[in-house]
Amino acid sequence: LAKTTQPISMDSYEGQEVNITCSHNNIATNDYITWYQQFPSQGPRFIIQGYKTKVTNEVASLFIPADRKSSTLSLPRVSLSDTAVYYCLPTRDDKIIFGKGTRLHILP
Amino acid sequence: EPEVTQTPSHQVTQMGQEVILRCVPISNHLYFYWYRQILGQKVEFLVSFYNNEISEKSEIFDDQFSVERPDGSNFTLKIRSTKLEDSAMYFCASISHWNSPLHFGNGTRLTVT
Repeated sequence: LAKTTQPISMDSYEGQEVNITCSHNNIATNDYITWYQQFPSQGPRFIIQGYKTKVTNEVASLFIPADRKSSTLSLPRVSLSDTAVYYCLPTRDDKIIFGKGTRLHILP
Repeated sequence: EPEVTQTPSHQVTQMGQEVILRCVPISNHLYFYWYRQILGQKVEFLVSFYNNEISEKSEIFDDQFSVERPDGSNFTLKIRSTKLEDSAMYFCASISHWNSPLHFGNGTRLTVT
């Protein structure tokens, strides 16, 4: 299973762009990279998924370089409600493991 | 949008009692998961289930735990004899196919006293 490393926490201000980088050096060929958001006392919620290059949806962008050893979640113009824990996961098989995630704190 | 539903939202039980946590996954999904999250800690994988059998399980998922899909729509997690350290949020999740994102329920908060 690919192991991931993310910053434990980050602070940012409302209106800023936030980039959270995850390293996954031993990612397997068949792994996709999926990012989730979790608020307290709620289940994780899917944000975005990609395999390589760039993916964009209505809430975020995901950048994956050619070597796929890392990925960066980009949240444009964050608000206070984006304060949450963000997880990156390689997803391929039956045992989908969450790491400790990045605790993002948005300040006014 | 279809969603995963879990019941009850909160369950209080005494140590040594059996509990059954219930989940209704999204109807066309084929792979089912249970996770738990102790307060302030990370989301921990317990078990995955496909084609009416366990696919993978973690070291946490010992003989105290079992899962079942009794009727084609419900997916249950049973803890036979609860311990204080089983107190946690338990999340059910499902996916439609390999590599698709997990869809989580809102969880059951289990409190063992």
